[in-house]
Amino acid sequence: NAGVTQTPKFQVLKTGQSMTLQCAQDMNHNSMYWYRQDPGMGLRLIYYSASEGTTDKGEVPNGYNVSRLNKREFSLRLESAAPSQTSVYFCASSEGVDYEQYFGPGTRLTVT
Amino acid sequence: TQLLEQSPQFLSIQEGENLTVYCNSSSVFSSLQWYRQEPGEGPVLLVTVVTGGEVKKLKRLTFQFGDARKDSSLHITAAQPGDTGLYLCAGTVFNDYKLSFGAGTTVTVRA
Repeated sequence: NAGVTQTPKFQVLKTGQSMTLQCAQDMNHNSMYWYRQDPGMGLRLIYYSASEGTTDKGEVPNGYNVSRLNKREFSLRLESAAPSQTSVYFCASSEGVDYEQYFGPGTRLTVT
Repeated sequence: TQLLEQSPQFLSIQEGENLTVYCNSSSVFSSLQWYRQEPGEGPVLLVTVVTGGEVKKLKRLTFQFGDARKDSSLHITAAQPGDTGLYLCAGTVFNDYKLSFGAGTTVTVRA
C-alpha cells in the first residue's frame, strides 16, 4: 500500500500561472483534506471533503479550488498563482472526519 | 492568531537529556493529537488524547492532556538523535471536527 501519494513533489510557477496538485489514497478512506504549511504557522486547512461528492472550505480557501474526483482522488487547483501561495502543500485522508489523518509527503510550491 | 500555542519554538539538547514541549490554548478541546514530522515528509500521528487529565506513554514519550482540556504536554525521557524532528500538536474543539494545528516545536538531539 502506498498510503497517500501526491504529485508533483516540487513545482515552480510564475505569478498568474495555473496548476493542479494531485492527491490519491489507497486506504478506502472517506474523508480527504488539503493543508498548507508555512514557517512559524503550522498546518492550515484549505479545503476538505468529508465524503465523496462533498467539499467544504477550511481556514484559508481563497485562491484555491478543489475537486473530489472519486473516492480515491482529491485535487487542488490554483487558477492564478500568487507569491503568497508559495508554501508546502499536504494532502491527508482519514476513515471519517473523526478519525486519524494520514498525510502524504507534500508538494513544495514556489511562485515567483 | 493561532488557536494552539506551542513552546518553545526551538529546542536543542544533548543525547540522554530530557525535554518537554508545551501546547496551550484558551479554548477547550474535545481531543488533542501530537504529530512528528521529519524533513521532506508529512506529519505522522504519535498519539491522541481525549479525556481531561489523561496520560499516555509511548516508549520514552509521555503525553498529558490538561484537566481543563485546554493544554497538553509532551515529555521525552533520555532523548536520542532519532527523536529529532518537528513536533506538532493539533486539536478539535467540540462540535467541529476540523483539526487546528500549533506552529510546532523543532527538536534537535545532538549525539
